[in-house]
Amino acid sequence: DIQMTQSPSSLSASVGDRVTITCQASQDISNFLNWYQQKPGKAPKLLIYDASILDTGIPSRFSGTRSGTHFTLTINTLQPEDIAQYYCQQYQNFPLTFGGGTKVEI
Amino acid sequence: QVQLVQSGAEVKKPGASVKISCKASGFNFVTSYIHWVRQAPGQGLEWMGISNPSGGSINYAPKFQGRATVTRDTSATTVYMQLTSLTSDDAAVYYCVATARGYILDYWGQGTQVFVSS
Repeated sequence: DIQMTQSPSSLSASVGDRVTITCQASQDISNFLNWYQQKPGKAPKLLIYDASILDTGIPSRFSGTRSGTHFTLTINTLQPEDIAQYYCQQYQNFPLTFGGGTKVEI
Repeated sequence: QVQLVQSGAEVKKPGASVKISCKASGFNFVTSYIHWVRQAPGQGLEWMGISNPSGGSINYAPKFQGRATVTRDTSATTVYMQLTSLTSDDAAVYYCVATARGYILDYWGQGTQVFVSS
């Protein structure tokens, strides 16, 4: 299985801050990497697919980048509604695997 | 609009089986992929398997191979996931997820809570 190592596991930031979450794949996954946001008690929501493409309706303060097997989710100008858990997910190979998650708090 | 409505919470004893339904509407069910993802309490997301479209194959994560069965009723636009030989480790929220984009998980059901306790 492809291991997705996500960091940090949690972070605390202030409204207006720039927040960066990283995901390291255990092998080459090309751009086959998605990011999800999950708020407490809710189902996850797709933010970014194929490493850097913003899904429809997602605010432009979210962005994704790739450098080799290293992936980054950035939230520019953190908003109160961004408080959530964030997960990366690879789909280079079965089984699909997720990172361990990052809890973003204010 | 796209809707995935899952069956209600279940309470099961160890060793029992559970079957969860996922009723789809608002999109082309026949050509969509349906995934199952679970989340144990306070834990992350775990992919279980996928029902490929148009009556295609089912792929399971190795961990669930032989214990999970996903079936698709096209006439009822419903997908079912049965998990057998339950243990306390199977206590989780189970999500069905629909997508036309293969492995990009677009539309999520509301989740079904499964409790396993003697």
